[in-house]
Amino acid sequence: EPEVTQTPSHQVTQMGQEVILRCVPISNHLYFYWYRQILGQKVEFLVSFYNNEISEKSEIFDDQFSVERPDGSNFTLKIRSTKLEDSAMYFCALRPGTPEQFFGPGTRLTVL
Amino acid sequence: QKEVEQNSGPLSVPEGAIASLNCTYSDRGSQSFFWYRQYSGKSPELIMFIYSNGDKEDGRFTAQLNKASQYVSLLIRDSQPSDSATYLCAVNAVNAGKSTFGDGTTLTVKP
Repeated sequence: EPEVTQTPSHQVTQMGQEVILRCVPISNHLYFYWYRQILGQKVEFLVSFYNNEISEKSEIFDDQFSVERPDGSNFTLKIRSTKLEDSAMYFCALRPGTPEQFFGPGTRLTVL
Repeated sequence: QKEVEQNSGPLSVPEGAIASLNCTYSDRGSQSFFWYRQYSGKSPELIMFIYSNGDKEDGRFTAQLNKASQYVSLLIRDSQPSDSATYLCAVNAVNAGKSTFGDGTTLTVKP
């Protein structure tokens, strides 16, 4: 099972502020994903990233969101102007070339 | 209709019993199916995946897929208190694509 770390584990921010969530896969992979889970709700797909490009995005992934792989290792999710409803757990996931998908430990984002 | 629907739960079984978790999906063209376990406050942990009709066994876990009925299930044999968690069913339209998750079924295994 590939290792994935996410930083920070918990981020508290004020509404309207920008946040950057980071995902660090230990080894190189092609397929990356961001999901979120609002407390008590189901896991929701945000965006998939293949070969350094967005391959698919959901309706949730609007202009406030962006993803990057700035240095070929970190994989980041940026929320430009956070809203209260962005409070959730954000999970990075990856596929090592097989159908299996492995999740990182998540970042808890709290927007005040 | 929800894209992925699971038993509403919660499900409670005694230790040592078989726990049965069910999931139906709406996209008949779905290709791969996953079961995850999620402890409170933690990330989903992959238990197993299946993409062919029939049964797939891994230790105490058996996944069953019936594409004609658009139904996938997970059986947990010899349930242990440590199996108490929320079980998530996820479905992919294409193998490397996004996963669509159900709401989850919370399982409690009582000693």
